[in-house]
Amino acid sequence: ETGVTQTPRHLVMGMTNKKSLKCEQHLGHNAMYWYKQSAKKPLELMFVYNFKEQTENNSVPSRFSPECPNSSHLFLHLHTLQPEDSALYLCASSQRTSGAYNEQFFGPGTRLTVL
Amino acid sequence: GQQVMQIPQYQHVQEGEDFTTYCNSSTTLSNIQWYKQRPGGHPVFLIQLVKSGEVKKQKRLTFQFGEAKKNSSLHITATQTTDVGTYFCAGLTGGGNKLTFGTGTQLKVEL
Repeated sequence: ETGVTQTPRHLVMGMTNKKSLKCEQHLGHNAMYWYKQSAKKPLELMFVYNFKEQTENNSVPSRFSPECPNSSHLFLHLHTLQPEDSALYLCASSQRTSGAYNEQFFGPGTRLTVL
Repeated sequence: GQQVMQIPQYQHVQEGEDFTTYCNSSTTLSNIQWYKQRPGGHPVFLIQLVKSGEVKKQKRLTFQFGEAKKNSSLHITATQTTDVGTYFCAGLTGGGNKLTFGTGTQLKVEL
């Protein structure tokens, strides 16, 4: 248990559905992240939030929409996804100090399948 | 953009053999982190290296950061079945606000 929880753990959705992934961190960190992990590909950083402000959008398609209402919660809203979006979506948090990001704590991930 | 490559992509060893994975960045890094991901699990932080030429040890694991801060290595002595998993390096650049993960090395340990 790393102090970062994600729900749901598994999600199957059609291309026309709208769903949301939720992440919550109980570590008091000030930075949160969304990553995508596909088979045979390195972890891809999607979004970074620092003190609830988005500081990084790694050219992610607009069908992925993040939301960070406070420094403990992070959402990823999904709509009109494609089958190639099927992957493990990982949330992480860290404490940013003196301009640098320290170790990241990952949640268990949401295994997403798009039909 | 920045790329972080790891070699080898896969490694099968017999229990008791040593293992090394190498990490190479296309740009100079401010620091580097290493993570381990067990099969079906999520990445777990192992260590962070900051100084040029730094060497750190954790029991059977030895981590090195290159003098030019563009490469790093992880060496495991006398592997055990508990070492199974994928090892990722992750480099921080510039002001340290973006972590770029390497391609990972998948380690399998056979009895």
